[in-house]
Amino acid sequence: GENVEQHPSTLSVQEGDSAVIKCTYSDSASNYFPWYKQELGKRPQLIIDIRSNVGEKKDQRIAVTLNKTAKHFSLHITETQPEDSAVYFCAAGGSGYSTLTFGKGTMLLVSP
Amino acid sequence: NAGVTQTPKFQVLKTGQSMTLQCAQDMNHEYMSWYRQDPGMGLRLIHYSVGAGITDQGEVPNGYNVSRSTTEDFPLRLLSAAPSQTSVYFCASRPGGDAYEQYFGPGTRLTVT
Repeated sequence: GENVEQHPSTLSVQEGDSAVIKCTYSDSASNYFPWYKQELGKRPQLIIDIRSNVGEKKDQRIAVTLNKTAKHFSLHITETQPEDSAVYFCAAGGSGYSTLTFGKGTMLLVSP
Repeated sequence: NAGVTQTPKFQVLKTGQSMTLQCAQDMNHEYMSWYRQDPGMGLRLIHYSVGAGITDQGEVPNGYNVSRSTTEDFPLRLLSAAPSQTSVYFCASRPGGDAYEQYFGPGTRLTVT
């Protein structure tokens, strides 16, 4: 099956800085890579996703890049704000998979 | 649409008790899944279903049963609760086919004493 590794486990930045979270996956058959944000006590919410036919995708201050050859993908948040503080999860899945395999999560803390 | 709903929100059980966590979705999604979330462990798949009458095991299925008699409902049964099953449980659904986005329910926080 699929295995997803996520780094770092915690990340502290100052407001306005950029934050980068990285994930690697093991199964080259995976072709769907979402990122979820989970605030304390809430459910995971999808913030951006990418499919394997695309190398990069942006949505305002967040972007995801994918390197299929190296089997890794990253989440980039620019101009971080305190409300970006949360736990972020990457996942892999798609064609051939009925569900997603998640990384262990990154706790992002943005200090004012 | 209510989306994915879960009941109860909180539950305390004694070791050895059984109970059912309820999950329902009103989006006519084919696929449904149960995850448990423990600190530092991410979201681990317990069981999943690709349609009514079809279920399969995930990464951590021991101690749990599921059934899917309708498209809408996917209950998770704890047969004999153990303290190791203290966790937050999330149900999720997705449409199926090449629509991979999963929608999560609000979660059930379970404590087993």
